[in-house]
Amino acid sequence: DAKTTQPNSMESNEEEPVHLPCNHSTISGTDYIHWYRQLPSQGPEYVIHGLTSNVNNRMASLAIAEDRKSSTLILHRATLRDAAVYYCILMGDSNYQLIWGAGTKLIIKP
Amino acid sequence: EPEVTQTPSHQVTQMGQEVILRCVPISNHLYFYWYRQILGQKVEFLVSFYNNEISEKSEIFDDQFSVERPDGSNFTLKIRSTKLEDSAMYFCASSERGLAGGYNEQFFGPGTRLTVL
Repeated sequence: DAKTTQPNSMESNEEEPVHLPCNHSTISGTDYIHWYRQLPSQGPEYVIHGLTSNVNNRMASLAIAEDRKSSTLILHRATLRDAAVYYCILMGDSNYQLIWGAGTKLIIKP
Repeated sequence: EPEVTQTPSHQVTQMGQEVILRCVPISNHLYFYWYRQILGQKVEFLVSFYNNEISEKSEIFDDQFSVERPDGSNFTLKIRSTKLEDSAMYFCASSERGLAGGYNEQFFGPGTRLTVL
């Protein structure tokens, strides 16, 4: 399975944008980039996913580098409720399981 | 909004006992999954299930584990003879389609905390 690298933790101020990076230099052409998050004491929650083009949804935006070796999850205006561990996961077209790394713990300061 | 539910929220059992963890996936979903998370560690895949069959399983999912969809709504994980190291949070998830590549998101339940004494 292709691996991802994320910073262990990041801090941001409330109501400011947050950019969460993910490196995946060994990504293959058919791997999708998925982001999930896990709020404290809760189950994981889907955030967004993409293949090549940037993606937007009501929760976040996903910016994918042209060479696809890295991506950035963007929270446009962080709230205290966005404090969570964010996971960047690669999903190949022959897999049905999510392979989790350690993720980035996002701390939001009021 | 539809959601995945899990019962019980916390299960305490003695080592060697059998436990059954229950999940009710989202009603129109066809693919079901179990993951676990030992305290302080990362989430680990256990098994995926589709059309009444296991489609993938990890090395963790040995002969002590089994899954079943006994009726049209429940999806269960059974651990036949629990060990201390089975203590973890167990998450059930479901998806409308198989998560091969893209076009899918897995919806997770709140988890069952299993404590083996």
